[in-house]
Amino acid sequence: GQQLNQSPQSMFIQEGEDVSMNCTSSSIFNTWLWYKQDPGEGPVLLIALYKAGELTSNGRLTAQFGITRKDSFLNISASIPSDVGIYFCAGQHHTGNQFYFGTGTSLTVIP
Amino acid sequence: NAGVTQTPKFQVLKTGQSMTLQCAQDMNHNSMYWYRQDPGMGLRLIYYSASEGTTDKGEVPNGYNVSRLNKREFSLRLESAAPSQTSVYFCASSERGGGERFFGPGTRLTVL
Repeated sequence: GQQLNQSPQSMFIQEGEDVSMNCTSSSIFNTWLWYKQDPGEGPVLLIALYKAGELTSNGRLTAQFGITRKDSFLNISASIPSDVGIYFCAGQHHTGNQFYFGTGTSLTVIP
Repeated sequence: NAGVTQTPKFQVLKTGQSMTLQCAQDMNHNSMYWYRQDPGMGLRLIYYSASEGTTDKGEVPNGYNVSRLNKREFSLRLESAAPSQTSVYFCASSERGGGERFFGPGTRLTVL
């Protein structure tokens, strides 16, 4: 199946620092989604992107749909302890309905 | 409004046993999905139901069957469990086939 490369695989940061992570694909997508998964829970949708170049914010989170349509970026500003979790990207081709998921970025915030 | 609910939350099976994972959504969504999550693999689609009365195979359907009981409920059945099916299973729904997935809390299954 379609592989999405998500990086970094894990991050350990100090509270208050900003975080950046990205997701890349070998093919073009027309939708990108970003999810957060808390331990023992299901993924929760954070941000949805539908247009190349689109920049969308949700509180301290900002995500961008890459111009090439093969990548997406998620930034978290001024991290806090409750940001801890695994962040997943998901992409959808223009030719189908299925979403393909990245392998996740595990974020640890040190108080 | 509970969103997507799954039962059970945890299950341990012996090889060869069968079981059904239940999923229900109260968002009046048309499409429902079953994913499995394994370390380092991301979420992989097992089966999906684009609308009531239809089901289709996803990326990893072998060893599973599904039933779309009605618009709200979508169950996943393991007829003869194998250790390779040890995983966390997530049910999801979306308003339409191409829409954002909303996930349930997951079922953690161990097959011994």
